[in-house]
Amino acid sequence: GAVVSQHPSWVICKSGTSVKIECRSLDFQATTMFWYRQFPKQSLMLMATSNEGSKATYEQGVEKDKFLINHASLTLSTLTVTSAHPEDSSFYICSAPKGGAVEQYFGPGTRLTVT
Amino acid sequence: EDKVVQSPLSLVVHEGDTVTLNCSYEVTNFRSLLWYKQEKKAPTFLFMLTSSGIEKKSGRLSSILDKKELFSILNITATQTGDSAVYLCAVEGGSNYKLTFGKGTLLTVNP
Repeated sequence: GAVVSQHPSWVICKSGTSVKIECRSLDFQATTMFWYRQFPKQSLMLMATSNEGSKATYEQGVEKDKFLINHASLTLSTLTVTSAHPEDSSFYICSAPKGGAVEQYFGPGTRLTVT
Repeated sequence: EDKVVQSPLSLVVHEGDTVTLNCSYEVTNFRSLLWYKQEKKAPTFLFMLTSSGIEKKSGRLSSILDKKELFSILNITATQTGDSAVYLCAVEGGSNYKLTFGKGTLLTVNP
């Protein structure tokens, strides 16, 4: 089956620093990828849609200057959390639809802890 | 704004019981409804439903969609402890495969 990877799987950083999370589709090309955030015991909240070759589309309430998204190639999207604060600590998950399928393949997630 | 509501939010059963999880939705330009199982990490895909009244089945799990009443159910028969997880319902509406998730149902199966 299709595989999506994320790196790193977990990261601890200090307040004020930036963290980059990578999402890769390993055996298919994805012109679109999605970034979600999940707080403990809550559901996945869509943050933004990453579009290859163009700007990302952010959901209402998500600061685009804080969560920088770059979809540099058909297999790679990156999310950079800039000037991280403790309230940014969360589980970040990316997903990508394979080809024309609605079914999305999720990455294993990245747990970010900001101290 | 698209909306997905799951019930119950949590459920505790004994091994061997049968459970029914519910998902209702309001979405513009409905395209599909998906069920996922989430344990420790990322969700794993269970079913995708696009047509009313057609049951999808995989082992002890089955699901059906009612597009007139805007809901879906996920059934698990003869539950096992390994079924313990959060079950997420998501609906795709609009363009570009964007999914709106419900809050999930936390299922705990006790031995």
